[in-house]
Amino acid sequence: KQEVTQIPAALSVPEGENLVLNCSFTDSAIYNLQWFRQDPGKGLTSLLLIQSSQREQTSGRLNASLDKSSGRSTLYIAASQPGDSATYLCAVRLGYGGSQGNLIFGKGTKLSVKP
Amino acid sequence: EAGVTQFPSHSVIEKGQTVTLRCDPISGHDNLYWYRRVMGKEIKFLLHFVKESKQDESGMPNNRFLAERTGGTYSTLKVQPAELEDSGVYFCASSPSTSGSMFFGPGTRLTVL
Repeated sequence: KQEVTQIPAALSVPEGENLVLNCSFTDSAIYNLQWFRQDPGKGLTSLLLIQSSQREQTSGRLNASLDKSSGRSTLYIAASQPGDSATYLCAVRLGYGGSQGNLIFGKGTKLSVKP
Repeated sequence: EAGVTQFPSHSVIEKGQTVTLRCDPISGHDNLYWYRRVMGKEIKFLLHFVKESKQDESGMPNNRFLAERTGGTYSTLKVQPAELEDSGVYFCASSPSTSGSMFFGPGTRLTVL
C-alpha cells in the first residue's frame, strides 16, 4: 500500500532564506508526482508535476526533484518570501491497476516565512 | 479559462440529514475526481469518473455516499444520512487525462452537528 510522508510537518524561516521540503513514498511504482500549495480556506494550486521518467522540474523560484528508486522528492524554494507562507502538499499518482487516476497525498508541510 | 468550481462553499447540517455537493469541472476535462480531508488527516481519494462512468470508486467510505455525473459534465456527491464523522472538506478535481496535472476546486467544508 502506497504511503506518502512529508517532513517536516511545519517550518518557520526568515524571509530570504532558501529552504527544502521533503516528501517520501513507499512504493516506487508511481506514474508521476505533483506538488501543490494550499492557502488557508482555499483549494489546492498545482505547483509542479514531475513524470516518473523525469528527474526535476523548475518554475520560477521553485525546483522539484524526483528520485523514484529511493522514493523521494524535494521541493526547493529559493529566496523565500512572506507570500510563500502556505501548506505544501506532495501527491503521487499510482501507475498500476484501476487506481491509475487517483492521487495519494502526504499530510503536508506548513510553511511560515517571517518578514 | 474558468477553474473547477464547487457549491456550496460551506454546509452545516444535523446528523441524519441529507446534503448534496456539486462540482463543475474545467470544460473539456473528461476526468473528474472527488477527494476528502477530515480533521488532522491527509487528503484521501473517494472516486474517479471518466465522462459519466465511474472508473474507480474504491475510496467511497460506505453506501451513504452516492456520486453521479449525468451527461459527463458536472458531478454531485450526496451524503444520506450524514454522520458526525463525515465532517471535513470535500474537494473536486478534474484533468484532461490521467497522466497530466490535476486541477482542484476550492472545496466544500461540511460540518455535521
